[in-house]
Amino acid sequence: QVQLQESGPGLVKPSQTLSLTCTVSGGSIISGGYYWSWIRQHPGKGLEWIGNIYHSGSTYYNPSLKSRVTISVDTSKNQFSLKLSSVTAADTAVYYCARAYGSGNGFDYWGQGTLVTVSS
Amino acid sequence: EIVLTQSPDFQSVTPKEKVTITCRASQSIGSSLHWYQQKPDQSPKLLIKYASQSFSGVPSRFSGSGSGTDFTLTINSLEAEDAATYYCHQSSSLPQTFGQGTKLEIK
Repeated sequence: QVQLQESGPGLVKPSQTLSLTCTVSGGSIISGGYYWSWIRQHPGKGLEWIGNIYHSGSTYYNPSLKSRVTISVDTSKNQFSLKLSSVTAADTAVYYCARAYGSGNGFDYWGQGTLVTVSS
Repeated sequence: EIVLTQSPDFQSVTPKEKVTITCRASQSIGSSLHWYQQKPDQSPKLLIKYASQSFSGVPSRFSGSGSGTDFTLTINSLEAEDAATYYCHQSSSLPQTFGQGTKLEIK
């Protein structure tokens, strides 16, 4: 059974960089065909796709965040990571990592989510 | 960006009732539409992929239909445990987008 687990600071100061890591267990991140995504949910709101990465390192970002987002993969640690720069209070959200088989499939496995608050 | 509009935003229903939630896309997305269930303080769970394919382990009372721009999630014989918010999601074109959610309350 594949499991995803987000980790990282729960509090980030405005203008700083938010950094999160998703550790994948129960399966290899280089298993063929899977795309690994970051998705966020503002408090009490809907879901926003941030971007995804393939194990080769190919990335796709949401244009609304593209200038501030970097997603990377560390296959040796079976992890992928999110960096979001120049954060503001509007970036306060629960951040999820998730997996999809193929770039156009539904997200079949999700992490439990981690709340990141942007505040001084 | 493709906008997904769900209706209704909220519905209060009784157990054993049949529930229908719709999702309309701002342009054709073929069958690249997926449905999720999210309960409070939990991550979303995939129910239906590619409009009508049930995900493994999902109860048979959940079904999906549609293609192009109009899609439907149906819950037959609603159970108390189905109280949740339901989201549709399109993966036809980037950026991937989600509907605003439909909250189901069980009376």
